[in-house]
Amino acid sequence: DAKTTQPPSMDCAEGRAANLPCNHSTISGNEYVYWYRQIHSQGPQYIIHGLKNNETNEMASLIITEDRKSSTLILPHATLRDTAVYYCIVKGGSEKLVFGKGTKLTVNP
Amino acid sequence: DTAVSQTPKYLVTQMGNDKSIKCEQNLGHDTMYWYKQDSKKFLKIMFSYNNKELIINETVPNRFSPKSPDKAHLNLHINSLELGDSAVYFCASSQAGTGGETQYFGPGTRLLVL
Repeated sequence: DAKTTQPPSMDCAEGRAANLPCNHSTISGNEYVYWYRQIHSQGPQYIIHGLKNNETNEMASLIITEDRKSSTLILPHATLRDTAVYYCIVKGGSEKLVFGKGTKLTVNP
Repeated sequence: DTAVSQTPKYLVTQMGNDKSIKCEQNLGHDTMYWYKQDSKKFLKIMFSYNNKELIINETVPNRFSPKSPDKAHLNLHINSLELGDSAVYFCASSQAGTGGETQYFGPGTRLLVL
């Protein structure tokens, strides 16, 4: 079973920031928070991951709360191509990736 | 250059047949995986190989047999195909290290059993 809770769907206007929340209240100290997305009919794509510090890369920013029980993925300027299902996954070192239902993000023109 | 490639992209076959799906990664990763995504879009891991050795084997029917000839390839052979095997199968690879582990997925093989 997935260790995370995400809203089933969200909408965002093109050009605006998309903020996708994730709850992981049972996260352990050695577990990372990973975000993947799956654009329709494609394989899942890695976005970003973090342990306790906020992280940023060319795709997104990851904000993790101080208690690590929740996080937010931020797409700073969403485009139509960002429409996808976004998965928040908590995973320790050698554990398998367990995909939940994710959040279906729709970016509207 | 495709990092993780799968062949074929589409596979339509009759019940009872035996088929194989091939996967190759050119990332130099040590670990490869097979995932199954069913019609309800749930994505679940089936197998994981590290340096050609099986390390994860979920409760998958033994009609499914992964084979890793070398660490860049992980093929999936399916015997006696059933209707319920219809799904999209994704291959992935990763390299463990400090700071977490990122998996890279292939484009998927869409299997339809008639």
